[in-house]
Amino acid sequence: NAGVTQTPKFQVLKTGQSMTLQCAQDMNHNSMYWYRQDPGMGLRLIYYSASEGTTDKGEVPNGYNVSRLNKREFSLRLESAAPSQTSVYFCASSGARPSTDTQYFGPGTRLTVL
Amino acid sequence: SQQGEEDPQALSIQEGENATMNCSYKTSINNLQWYRQNSGRGLVHLILIRSNEREKHSGRLRVTLDTSKKSSSLLITASRAADTASYFCATTPNAGNMLTFGGGTRLMVKP
Repeated sequence: NAGVTQTPKFQVLKTGQSMTLQCAQDMNHNSMYWYRQDPGMGLRLIYYSASEGTTDKGEVPNGYNVSRLNKREFSLRLESAAPSQTSVYFCASSGARPSTDTQYFGPGTRLTVL
Repeated sequence: SQQGEEDPQALSIQEGENATMNCSYKTSINNLQWYRQNSGRGLVHLILIRSNEREKHSGRLRVTLDTSKKSSSLLITASRAADTASYFCATTPNAGNMLTFGGGTRLMVKP
């Protein structure tokens, strides 16, 4: 039982390049989330998916797209990376009630955009 | 914008001492959660307290919630070096269903 896994762990991009961050969970959770964490700050929600086939914007969605490929997988895409997107990205999942169910986090992807 | 704000931003104590962290928030909430983040790792859920609860315990953790003051505190008793981490409060507002995280308190427990 791996919980929430993320790939890659580290990535360096040049401005304008694109990439997709992958996330998978094996806990049969309905809800999945993408957050970013900037140095010394808390997490900010980028996008979330309350169930398979649905996605919604969070607090900071600009510059990102997401895909809920199936119940297990939720990917985050940067179409044209910018230095302001340098951050640590965390994927999380939870049960059917995002407001009360515990969120389980992946280990994070450290992204640097030059 | 962040719903929750932790205080202090950083705290350094000796092993065996108690550590108290505070969280203030702006809007009415359904519940408040505390998470821990070890350096370079993802967040781990510690405890959830509902808006109709005033105090909750889990092992060496004690959480209080004062909805009239829109504040919560996390007390770690008899701290250990392994408690060194950042601690975040996260709230779910009444009008929404998403967690909003505060900026965190960085706790260092010296052996």
